[in-house]
Amino acid sequence: KQEVTQIPAALSVPEGENLVLNCSFTDSAIYNLQWFRQDPGKGLTSLLLIQSSQREQTSGRLNASLDKSSGRSTLYIAASQPGDSATYLCAVTGGGGKLIFGQGTELSVKP
Amino acid sequence: GAVVSQHPSWVICKSGTSVKIECRSLDFQATTMFWYRQFPKQSLMLMATSNEGSKATYEQGVEKDKFLINHASLTLSTLTVTSAHPEDSSFYICSARDSSSNTGELFFGEGSRLTVL
Repeated sequence: KQEVTQIPAALSVPEGENLVLNCSFTDSAIYNLQWFRQDPGKGLTSLLLIQSSQREQTSGRLNASLDKSSGRSTLYIAASQPGDSATYLCAVTGGGGKLIFGQGTELSVKP
Repeated sequence: GAVVSQHPSWVICKSGTSVKIECRSLDFQATTMFWYRQFPKQSLMLMATSNEGSKATYEQGVEKDKFLINHASLTLSTLTVTSAHPEDSSFYICSARDSSSNTGELFFGEGSRLTVL
């Protein structure tokens, strides 16, 4: 059974700092991995999608890496801003097309 | 990007009543949609996979008779919480996969907050 773990559960940083969020998964037989952002009481916004054959994806200040063999992914946020404050969720697509989520990292960027 | 719309965004109902939540893919067709629920401060838990034209597949521990799923068209799936009780109060989120895309990317609705009194 696929399990997805995110570390840390919560993170508070001053504005401008670069930061890394971590995600690990137990079954390396994945189709893809997605990083999402969720604001309080809201739905999910897709940030980056990495196919199993890819090693990284970049979008603006965000960079996500994937090491399928070791079951790890990182989300790097450069020059963090208060508007980046949200919960970040990592999820992997495995057999049956199901998307399995980690518990999320709650990020707070202080002005 | 692809848009998934959920309705209603929030609903309050009395215990014992049934509530229907709609999930629509607005600009793409989705043969498969997924329903999740999320409790406060927790992650999303997959409830069921909704398949167009066939029965939904439920995850272990999810009562199929309580959470009725209908996927009658390529753009609409509905979740009906039957005989709702306070413990069913939660945030329900649907997602859909573009049938014509090979990326496997899932797009999510804005969620529906259910409060059962």
